[in-house]
Amino acid sequence: QVQLQESGPGLVKPSGTLSLTCTVSGVSITSNSWWSWVRQSPGKGLEWIGEIYKTGTTNYNPSLKSRVTISLDKSRNVFSLRLRSMTAADTAVYYCAKTVSRFDPWSQGTLVTVSS
Amino acid sequence: QSALTQPRSVSGSPGQSVTISCTGSTTNVGAYRFVSWYQQYPDKAPKLMIYDVSQRPSGVPDRFSGSKSDNTASLTISGLQAEDEADYYCCSYAGNFTYVFGSGTKVSVL
Repeated sequence: QVQLQESGPGLVKPSGTLSLTCTVSGVSITSNSWWSWVRQSPGKGLEWIGEIYKTGTTNYNPSLKSRVTISLDKSRNVFSLRLRSMTAADTAVYYCAKTVSRFDPWSQGTLVTVSS
Repeated sequence: QSALTQPRSVSGSPGQSVTISCTGSTTNVGAYRFVSWYQQYPDKAPKLMIYDVSQRPSGVPDRFSGSKSDNTASLTISGLQAEDEADYYCCSYAGNFTYVFGSGTKVSVL
């Protein structure tokens, strides 16, 4: 079955850049799906960050668009997130998910803390 | 892009029905049938329960159902069970290739 697993550092310094990778298994990243990043601040709700298609086409949450880049590597079957100029407000659990008008399945999530 | 509005909490006794509302606007919930619902246990990833307003993925019990009227979508849990105690989030396509989530609702089983 389709599984997603994110990887990356759990601690980022203020003003630094977050880099996370989502490894997809059970399906090719070149299938007819979009691939999304979603985050959840501690004790808060879910926030869609953005998505990417196999062609490299991306869509971003307008509130984060100026700081976000999502990319994909077809040879490794992974897609990645870069979020620049991190602040404490970006501390959250970050998830990746397969997207076809809904998010399913999800990765297990990774906590990213912004702190010096 | 404001979050969709959900009640902070709803509760019910085992066997009862509860309904969670998800209120948006004419630019999201009211405009598209791409409304989905997610169940989330503490420290776990969300799980898809309903998609395209009322479609249930395989493996999701049929006591979970979804509907939509104008700018408000709803998730109903019939025959409430102890294992249904969790947080629930709605999500809607919001146009311009973007998505917006709801604020989340905690379901308690009394």
